[in-house]
Amino acid sequence: GNSVTQMEGPVTLSEEAFLTINCTYTATGYPSLFWYVQYPGEGLQLLLKATKADDKGSNKGFEATYRKETTSFHLEKGSVQVSDSAVYFCALVVPNTGNQFYFGTGTSLTVIP
Amino acid sequence: GAGVSQSPSNKVTEKGKDVELRCDPISGHTALYWYRQSLGQGLEFLIYFQGNSAPDKSGLPSDRFSAERTGGSVSTLTIQRTQQEDSAVYLCASSWGQEINEQFFGPGTRLTVL
Repeated sequence: GNSVTQMEGPVTLSEEAFLTINCTYTATGYPSLFWYVQYPGEGLQLLLKATKADDKGSNKGFEATYRKETTSFHLEKGSVQVSDSAVYFCALVVPNTGNQFYFGTGTSLTVIP
Repeated sequence: GAGVSQSPSNKVTEKGKDVELRCDPISGHTALYWYRQSLGQGLEFLIYFQGNSAPDKSGLPSDRFSAERTGGSVSTLTIQRTQQEDSAVYLCASSWGQEINEQFFGPGTRLTVL
């Protein structure tokens, strides 16, 4: 079946620290991979995506590389800011399966000044 | 409107009552999704509409849950005879067409069953 596993939270970092949030997946077929972010009091919004192996998605200083050999899509940022405090969700969708998204459980990030 | 809207934003109900949750997708989006987000859990897929039809109802947790979509636009999720375990945030999302596209999420409806 299809599933996403992401690292347990919560994660607390100091401003300007390096961030990694791990995400691994299992999928029947060739999935597209996504990171969504949920800021406090707001709805989920797309952060970045990658649709094929070795693609790198990037946005707002965040990056994630689609690694087929390790079935991973880890989220990284070189220098976090207080405004990055949010819950981050890794997700996948397998083409031609009804566009159903499979989400991880979310990782809460708090960045302290 | 500019985004996906959901109503009500909060709903408190008594165990055993029926509730209806509404979702207005972005105009022109043909695909619509319902998810449930329980405390400490990820997003649980409930149902997906392409137009007015629901090709995948596999995520509905029980026969107390049903959903419909009319006119290819507004959708309602109905929970009959609510139970305390139904308490969660119910999220709606919409996207373009049948190709894999970004899903745009609404703010959610927080349901509390007493």
